[in-house]
Amino acid sequence: QSVLTQPPSVSGAPGQRVTISCTGSTSNIGATYDVHWYQQLPETAPKLLIYGDNYRPSWVPDRFSCSKSGTSASLAIAGLQAEDEAYYFCQSYDSSLSGSVFGGGTKLTVL
Amino acid sequence: QLQLVQSGAEVKKPGASVKVSCKAYGYTFNHDYIHWVRQAPGQGLEWMGRIDPSSGSTTRTQRFQVRVTMTTDTSTGTVYMELSSLRSEDTATYYCARGRMISGNFDTWGQGTLVTVSS
Repeated sequence: QSVLTQPPSVSGAPGQRVTISCTGSTSNIGATYDVHWYQQLPETAPKLLIYGDNYRPSWVPDRFSCSKSGTSASLAIAGLQAEDEAYYFCQSYDSSLSGSVFGGGTKLTVL
Repeated sequence: QLQLVQSGAEVKKPGASVKVSCKAYGYTFNHDYIHWVRQAPGQGLEWMGRIDPSSGSTTRTQRFQVRVTMTTDTSTGTVYMELSSLRSEDTATYYCARGRMISGNFDTWGQGTLVTVSS
């Protein structure tokens, strides 16, 4: 059971916009700790996708964005492309556990 | 080029220990934390703990307090994670990742080390 809760799967057609939610609690997201997102392609290590206040590494297109409110955060992907099909994980810090926590991951399928 | 390179796959019997290495390239090794994250087959990511290479200070999650030891060799820029008393449920890919802050993100990941526990 992951500390952060994500939907197991989402899907969308090419060109559409999808969002992936990440729900935490007052000891992590609600405690104003940053939320970070990772993309994991099959058989590869996760890669940092978006961090903090909507910052993206240079390899990430601006179709990817994030937001946070209260004890939840979300990742939005606009203009879906086939190459976006992957697993997405959220991550934050939990003060009661004194460590990092992850969501269970969401599989994005591009129809 | 900034990267973390891990040791190769391991097959261990239940009750044994495994030691995974993670060598840093392309940045000042002592400046940033190294975290360990594992992923069981078909499962999500689980944070195990972190080490501060400059001091050797470690933090581990409750479930790994007893069985995980993290060490560092500053002369070679390498961090080690040893997991003892292995059981079948420990079969997973183990990743090291760099974190610049205790509460921050992991901007660089190793390629992963598959540890298989089987009799």
